[in-house]
Amino acid sequence: QSVLTQPPSVSAAPGQKVTISCSGSSSNVGHTYVSWYQQLPGTAPKLLIYDNDQRPSGIPDRFSGSKSGTSATLGITGLQTGDEADYFCGTWDSSLSARVFGGGTKLTVL
Amino acid sequence: VLLQESGPRLVKPSETLSLTCTVSGGSISTYYWTWIRQPPGKGLEWIGYVYDSGITNYNPSLKSRVTISVDTSKSQFSLRLTSVTAADTAVYYCARQNQDAFDIWGQGTMVTVSS
Repeated sequence: QSVLTQPPSVSAAPGQKVTISCSGSSSNVGHTYVSWYQQLPGTAPKLLIYDNDQRPSGIPDRFSGSKSGTSATLGITGLQTGDEADYFCGTWDSSLSARVFGGGTKLTVL
Repeated sequence: VLLQESGPRLVKPSETLSLTCTVSGGSISTYYWTWIRQPPGKGLEWIGYVYDSGITNYNPSLKSRVTISVDTSKSQFSLRLTSVTAADTAVYYCARQNQDAFDIWGQGTMVTVSS
């Protein structure tokens, strides 16, 4: 049972838009910055979004992040088959004194 | 900057898991160097970090069994996890924490706990 709650799976057609939610509490998502990671099959996670809505250099603007209260959202537009991956949110939990992650969301591009 | 994990891939139950992460292409100074693991088919679990000064912070759920250390002269940091069980079987990643995110990851190494 992960501290941060994500939907197990989402799907959409190529070219469409999808959003992935990350729900937490006042001690984690509501307290500090959220980051998002993409994990392609068989590879290490890769940073997509940091500080809620900032993209590292090299990440296309098809990927976006937002946060409101105790929930954060990753948005992906113009879906491509190469976007099929697991996506994780992460943040610091001040009650647990630990960094925590969501359980991950598997994106399928139909 | 590149990170590369190394260490035994098979560890016996009750023994100690030891891994090293080598940092190349950049300085080991001024960042938090982290270990994260992922059991097969499951999510990510933060193990802990070490700063270049040697300051550490561990996941409370693993704190009694974990030691993370740094050797700045070799640009390496290491993980020791004692008294392992099958539940410790996972892919272990080393990563760099840059402010509030993990911006660089190693490729990961699969460690199996089995007799």
